[in-house]
Amino acid sequence: AQSVTQLDSQVPVFEEAPVELRCNYSSSVSVYLFWYVQYPNQGLQLLLKYLSGSTLVKGINGFEAEFNKSQTSFHLRKPSVHISDTAEYFCAVRDRGSNYKLTFGKGTLLTVNP
Amino acid sequence: GAVVSQHPSWVICKSGTSVKIECRSLDFQATTMFWYRQFPKQSLMLMATSNEGSKATYEQGVEKDKFLINHASLTLSTLTVTSAHPEDSSFYICSARVRVSEAFFGQGTRLTVV
Repeated sequence: AQSVTQLDSQVPVFEEAPVELRCNYSSSVSVYLFWYVQYPNQGLQLLLKYLSGSTLVKGINGFEAEFNKSQTSFHLRKPSVHISDTAEYFCAVRDRGSNYKLTFGKGTLLTVNP
Repeated sequence: GAVVSQHPSWVICKSGTSVKIECRSLDFQATTMFWYRQFPKQSLMLMATSNEGSKATYEQGVEKDKFLINHASLTLSTLTVTSAHPEDSSFYICSARVRVSEAFFGQGTRLTVV
């Protein structure tokens, strides 16, 4: 079984500031890692994913994340945020052998203020 | 990218009635679809895995007779909330497995039972 901890439930930042959303996971097996974004009353959109290879993963909208196996972390970063980045962000994991059952963190609400 | 369409986007129903939510893969075939439930300001909880042509696999604690899932074709899965009650009010989201490493999400359905 896996679990995902998103350490911050809310992150307020000013426009054009850098941001980091933290995610730690626990699993007894190798996993794939994902970040999703959810805008109000909408489904989830995939931002980026780590499957294998380079531990630095680049996604859409200027986001990137780094997989750190020793710290079991997969933090999401963006060097300069926009108002339009205001949304809920979910970190998720699945083990490599499962039938694509995702385990989600509780989410981090990113609020970008002018 | 792959598109998953969920219908309706929102629905209000009276207590005791049933409501059906559809999840369609528009430009690909999905042998496996997933149904999630999301409470306000909380994460997504997997309810069941829907496999085309076979019975759905429900997660522990999810009432099979309450949440009927049918996956009759490779592009359509339905979730029927039977004898709905106010505590069933929630945001329901489906996802469809596209590749081994990726799934796409529908836009969600806001169910309100009055």
